Order: sequence, then C-alpha cells, then structure tokens
Amino acid sequence: AQSVAQPEDQVNVAEGNPLTVKCTYSVSGNPYLFWYVQYPNRGLQFLLKYITGDNLVKGSYGFEAEFNKSQTSFHLKKPSALVSDSALYFCAVRGLPGGGKLIFGQGTELSVKP
Amino acid sequence: SQTIHQWPATLVQPVGSPLSLECTVEGTSNPNLYWYRQAAGRGLQLLFYSVGIGQISSEVPQNLSASRPQDRQFILSSKKLLLSDSGFYLCAWAPRASGNTIYFGEGSWLTVV
Repeated sequence: AQSVAQPEDQVNVAEGNPLTVKCTYSVSGNPYLFWYVQYPNRGLQFLLKYITGDNLVKGSYGFEAEFNKSQTSFHLKKPSALVSDSALYFCAVRGLPGGGKLIFGQGTELSVKP
Repeated sequence: SQTIHQWPATLVQPVGSPLSLECTVEGTSNPNLYWYRQAAGRGLQLLFYSVGIGQISSEVPQNLSASRPQDRQFILSSKKLLLSDSGFYLCAWAPRASGNTIYFGEGSWLTVV
C-alpha cells in the first residue's frame, strides 16, 4: 500500500534561516510525490511535484524538494525562510489503483519567527 | 485557465438534517474529481473520487454519498447528518493523465450541531 509519513508535527525556524520539512514515503513502483501548503481556513495550494528526472525539484515561492530514492524521502526545503511561509505543509503520494488520487501525510506546521 | 468553485463556504446544520455541497470546475473537460475531508485541522481523508459522469468510487464507508450529474459537477450529500460529519470538506480536480497535479477548491466548513 502507498503511504506517506511526515515525522514532525511542527517545525520552528527563525526568519532568514534555511528550513526543511521532512517527508518519507512507501510505494510499490515509481513514486509520484507532491508538496502542498495550506493557510488557515483555506484550500491546499500546490507547491511542487516529482514525477521523474532531476532529483532536485523547484517549485513556487522559492521552495524546492529533493527526491532521494535510497532513503525513500522527499524533503521540502527553502534557503531563507520568511514569516509569510508560516503555514501547514502536506506531502502526498499518488495512490494506486486508478483515479489519480493522492494519499497525504498528516501535515507539518511550519512556524517562522521574526 | 481552469478554476474550481465550491459552495457554500460555511454551513451550520442540525443533526439529522440533509446536506448538499456542490463543486464545479471551469476551463477543462473530463477531469478526475475528488472529495476530501479534513478533521481537526490536519489529516486529509479521501472520501470519494470520480473519473467520469455517474462513476463514483467510495474510499471509506460513511454517512455520505457523492454524485456526478455532469462532467464538471461534483456533489457531496447526506440524508441525515451526524455530529461526526463536522469538518472541512475540500473538492479537488485533476486532468485525466497520470502524474498530473490535483488542484483544490477553497473548502466548505460544516458544523453539525
């Protein structure tokens, strides 16, 4: 079965410092991996995805993620955090079979302090 | 460009009353459509998905049902709401091809009292 784990409920970072939000996955076959961000009382916004190709994926708002097949990880990163990056972040993997549905991790609350 | 509309944004309903949440997608055809529920501000649970008109797959047994009467319309319903149905409901769509991104609506807050 496909699954995703986000081991940290919360990540605290000072503004200007680099940030990492962790994600590990379990899939059969090649993984399709996604990151989304959710601001309070809003829907999810797509940040980036890995389907194939370069292991370093660049996305919206300066975020990037590194796909590591040997460690089955897909960590989200940003070189310099902004207070406005504070939000709930979800990692997701495409589930099987059929329908293109996504299976989400439990989410990580990112808090960036000035 | 494609857009997704979901309504109502907020709903307070008594236990035992019916429910209808609607979702429409514009600017695309033959999308895959999804209903997710988010409880307690965290985990997202897939409730239903649809790959075509009248084709509904249910992911978990529950008090809810879904219908797709038109290509770009997806409706979440209940005949009698339970307290446990309270939550944040998110409609989403994706182009049909494999690997494509799923895009979410702004969500509907349902409080059952």
